[in-house]
Amino acid sequence: AQKVTQAQTEISVVEKEDVTLDCVYETRDTTYYLFWYKQPPSGELVFLIRRNSFDEQNEISGRYSWNFQKSTSSFNFTITASQVVDSAVYFCAHTDSGTYKYIFGTGTRLKVLA
Amino acid sequence: KAGVTQTPRYLIKTRGQQVTLSCSPISGHRSVSWYQQTPGQGLQFLFEYFSETQRNKGNFPGRFSGRQFSNSRSEMNVSTLELGDSALYLCASSLGQVGSETQYFGPGTRLLVL
Repeated sequence: AQKVTQAQTEISVVEKEDVTLDCVYETRDTTYYLFWYKQPPSGELVFLIRRNSFDEQNEISGRYSWNFQKSTSSFNFTITASQVVDSAVYFCAHTDSGTYKYIFGTGTRLKVLA
Repeated sequence: KAGVTQTPRYLIKTRGQQVTLSCSPISGHRSVSWYQQTPGQGLQFLFEYFSETQRNKGNFPGRFSGRQFSNSRSEMNVSTLELGDSALYLCASSLGQVGSETQYFGPGTRLLVL
């Protein structure tokens, strides 16, 4: 069965610190997709990144970077030089190619203190 | 392009009443999914529609139902409301098959059942 684990419930960092959010997934499929979303206090889930199971290249977008490792079934998210505006709940999600739903982790609440 | 819109944004109902929530997907998107978010259960999949057909349904009682219209707009209905139905209901749209397409979420409808 599909499962996504975000073991970190809440993380607090001081502005400008680097922070890594962990995501571990379980699947039996060889073709699957992984996602990260950000949920600010307003409630809307904002799409950050999608990664296909056959593409293990790491990705960097500005201060954000993602490390996808199939060997450990992990898809971790790092924010470099965190800012107060990064404060939000971050969700990791997984879906298989043959299904029509996302399975979300429980989310990690990130607090960036000024 | 306009994003996913949901109406109403906030709703207060009493137990036993019914409620209908509406979702307009991004133009050109044919798949619409619904999720329920609560502090205790996190983000849970309700159902997904594509071309007016429900393709997948989550583990929710029959009081939760939905439909999709020919213009891809979708509604979900909850009958005989219970206190536990208080939640943020999120709608997401994607171009086609959810597994291979990124879902984009609306701002949600916050439902409070008294």
